[in-house]
Amino acid sequence: DGGITQSPKYLFRKEGQNVTLSCEQNLNHDAMYWYRQDPGQGLRLIYYSQIVNDFQKGDIAEGYSVSREKKESFPLTVTSAQKNPTAFYLCASSHFSGRTDTQYFGPGTRLTVL
Amino acid sequence: AQKVTQAQTEISVVEKEDVTLDCVYETRDTTYYLFWYKQPPSGELVFLIRRNSFDEQNEISGRYSWNFQKSTSSFNFTITASQVVDSAVYFCALIHSGGSNYKLTFGKGTLLTVNP
Repeated sequence: DGGITQSPKYLFRKEGQNVTLSCEQNLNHDAMYWYRQDPGQGLRLIYYSQIVNDFQKGDIAEGYSVSREKKESFPLTVTSAQKNPTAFYLCASSHFSGRTDTQYFGPGTRLTVL
Repeated sequence: AQKVTQAQTEISVVEKEDVTLDCVYETRDTTYYLFWYKQPPSGELVFLIRRNSFDEQNEISGRYSWNFQKSTSSFNFTITASQVVDSAVYFCALIHSGGSNYKLTFGKGTLLTVNP
């Protein structure tokens, strides 16, 4: 089955630690995205990548880093510089036939800082 | 700047009632796309519909229907004969064809609870 997988589903981090969230897709999509969702809020874009080895900052990139070494994978690292990392993180992907392609989402990772 | 407003924070209905979720958007662009996503308690966002700014035809898919009116900048979503499985947070979103990023602008969502 084609789709987007994210792991882990739940993640707990101690303050001062970096953690990496995994996102893999087998839809052969070119573009991938990371969003953050806080309670009662819509989603906010952290980073996006149009092609391998290229990525761009979104609205709230501070304290986060990404890599795109393979088309299928777009891991997100939440660094210790992120002041309030507790949130629900959603990865998405889309075909790159244009900027307005429909974005399809993974199941999400819930990160809690202890 | 783009903005999506979902004024209804929470809606509660009894099963089999019809319910309409409102979405009002702001954009300066003439070409844009509107989306609705469903987020059940599991958390995953499920794509429901995409509509471009040049297509104002209403759409019906089973119990779901969408009413797009450019004159009022609205893209409302109606569920007919609601079911408990429709309970979820519903997000309206906008993306425009110009600009330098690929950001979907989301509303804050409407929590729909369908009671048996």
